[in-house]
Amino acid sequence: AQKITQTQPGMFVQEKEAVTLDCTYDTSDPSYGLFWYKQPSSGEMIFLIYQGSYDQQNATEGRYSLNFQKARKSANLVISASQLGDSAMYFCAMRTTSGTYKYIFGTGTRLKVLA
Amino acid sequence: ETGVTQTPRHLVMGMTNKKSLKCEQHLGHNAMYWYKQSAKKPLELMFVYNFKEQTENNSVPSRFSPECPNSSHLFLHLHTLQPEDSALYLCASSQDAGTYEQYFGPGTRLTVT
Repeated sequence: AQKITQTQPGMFVQEKEAVTLDCTYDTSDPSYGLFWYKQPSSGEMIFLIYQGSYDQQNATEGRYSLNFQKARKSANLVISASQLGDSAMYFCAMRTTSGTYKYIFGTGTRLKVLA
Repeated sequence: ETGVTQTPRHLVMGMTNKKSLKCEQHLGHNAMYWYKQSAKKPLELMFVYNFKEQTENNSVPSRFSPECPNSSHLFLHLHTLQPEDSALYLCASSQDAGTYEQYFGPGTRLTVT
C-alpha cells in the first residue's frame, strides 16, 4: 500500500534556527516523486520542493532542502534560518507514476516559529 | 487575477440543497484537481481532469459531481450532502497530469448543516 507518514503533529523552532520536518513513505512503485507543501492559515497550499526517486542529489530551493534517503524511504524537509513567516502547516506528499496519477498526502506538521 | 481562484470562499448549505463550487486557473495549465481536506485527516484527492478529460475518480460518492467545461474552469456540483462532507475543498492545477508541481487555490470552506 502507498502511504505517507508524518509523525510530528507539531513543532517549535526559534527564529533563525534550522528545523527538520520528518516524512517517511511507502510504495512499491520504482518511479515516484516526493514533494512538500506549505499551508498558511489562509488555506492556500504552496509548493515548496520536489524530489524525484531517481534524482541522485538532494533537492534544494532557497532555504528549503529535502533530505532524501531512499533506502530508508524518508524525505525530510529542512528549513534553514527559520523566519516568523514560516509558521504554517507543512505537508509531505508523494505521486507515483504507475497506472493513474495517484497523489497521496501526509497528515501534516504544524510548525511554529518563535521570536 | 492570477494563479488559481475559488468561489465561494465559504459556503453553508443544508442537506437538501444543491450548490456548486467554482475553480478557475489563469496559468495556462491543462490539468485540474479537486481535493478534500478534513480536520486531522490527510488531503484526499477526489478528481483529476487532464485536457478536460476525467482521468481519476477516487471512489467519490455520487453526491459530488465534477464538471470541466474547459482547461481553465472546474466545477464541483454538490447535492444531498451529509454533515461529514463538511471540509475545506481545494482546487489545484498543473501543466498537465504528468507534472508534479501543482498550484492550489485558497479553498472553499464548506459546512453542511
